[in-house]
Parts: sequence; structure tokens; C-alpha cells
Amino acid sequence: GAGVSQSPSNKVTEKGKDVELRCDPISGHTALYWYRQSLGQGLEFLIYFQGNSAPDKSGLPSDRFSAERTGGSVSTLTIQRTQQEDSAVYLCASRKTGDGGYGYTFGSGTRLTVV
Amino acid sequence: GNSVTQMEGPVTLSEEAFLTINCTYTATGYPSLFWYVQYPGEGLQLLLKATKADDKGSNKGFEATYRKETTSFHLEKGSVQVSDSAVYFCALSDRRGSQGNLIFGKGTKLSVKP
Repeated sequence: GAGVSQSPSNKVTEKGKDVELRCDPISGHTALYWYRQSLGQGLEFLIYFQGNSAPDKSGLPSDRFSAERTGGSVSTLTIQRTQQEDSAVYLCASRKTGDGGYGYTFGSGTRLTVV
Repeated sequence: GNSVTQMEGPVTLSEEAFLTINCTYTATGYPSLFWYVQYPGEGLQLLLKATKADDKGSNKGFEATYRKETTSFHLEKGSVQVSDSAVYFCALSDRRGSQGNLIFGKGTKLSVKP
């Protein structure tokens, strides 16, 4: 597609429920990133996928968070047993490999509210 | 580890005022530096970038110069417009671990009044 697409745009869930957030990157972009944007905290790196390599999960805050990327394209971020502190905007970005660290395209994000 | 520190907002200016948003960084090696902008209700967009010392990035009247000696990348604009109201993020590319991963500052919200 023309841009990075994320769904849903908004999600309200009850504490303790599991949620899945979806990211559809730009076609041909081999690198995909998930970030979390919390109020007053800026953007926090969560996980990075590059082609068929093992993902860099170093930013995931706990084992309740996981992500996968199927077929090198669509990615799903799953949060299990959600907590109120998980409330944030979750942003996905994609880029071409070898562009020198820039050329990121961000999606509009999923606003997650845990009540 | 690598980090980015930018001035806290919110910043409120009148139209045509001069803007400076300070950004300093801590990094090993030679990172690339960026300013991203997030307009209300939209995703982050790259505003400008600089990939080596003394480079000046510029776009839409905004400028920032990569100063290695002061580890800074301050954003400036000579005359802001109402349409510049947004949140601005300073960032660097971290080439350790996640190649090309961006590390962001906390963002500075700018409001420009007519």
C-alpha cells in the first residue's frame, strides 16, 4: 500500500484481556519496528524485524508482550493479560534495508486504553 | 547507552516568532540525527536529518545543525506559522543491536497562536 496501515485505530479493553494489534507495512519494506508512545514518555522501542532474521526483542517490557511477522509482511503485536500501564499509542514503522537509518514511514498508531 | 534529551514543552509562540527546540544526545560512534514531527491526529513524519558532523538538515523553513563538539542538534525556524503546531521529536539512529533503530526524545509540543 501507499503507507503503513495499523488497525484498529482505537482499542478499549478490560484489564486482564488479551489484545492483538496489526501492522501492514509498505510493500517492499523489509524492516519493521514497533514503538510505544506513552503520555510524557516519548517513543519507546519495542521490537524490530528484518527480513527472515530472528527479531530483536530487546525492547519488549515484559513476557506478556510478543510479536510476529508473517511472510515478511504483516506484523501482529500481542499483549496478554493487559494492565492499565499498557495504555499507550502503539506505533509501527517500516523502512527499506540499507537506507542509512532513515526513511522510516510510520503508521498512525493504535491507541490502546486498558480500563 | 545512547539517549536523546530534548527541552520539555509545551512551547507556546505567537505567529512569526522565532523557534528553538533544544536537543542533545549521548551516543557512541557517529549516529545520524533526525527531527520528526507529529501533527494532530497523524503519524510521525521525518522533518529533517543530518548524517555527519557539521551537516545541516533543512525542510519547510526548519533547520538543525549536527554539532559533535556540543553533542547537539537544535531545531530552529525563523518565523513559525499556526500550521507548525505539532509535537516535535529529536531522534538518533542506534546502530548497536537493532540496526537502524531510532532512539527518540520525549517530544516537545509546540502551539502557535495567530
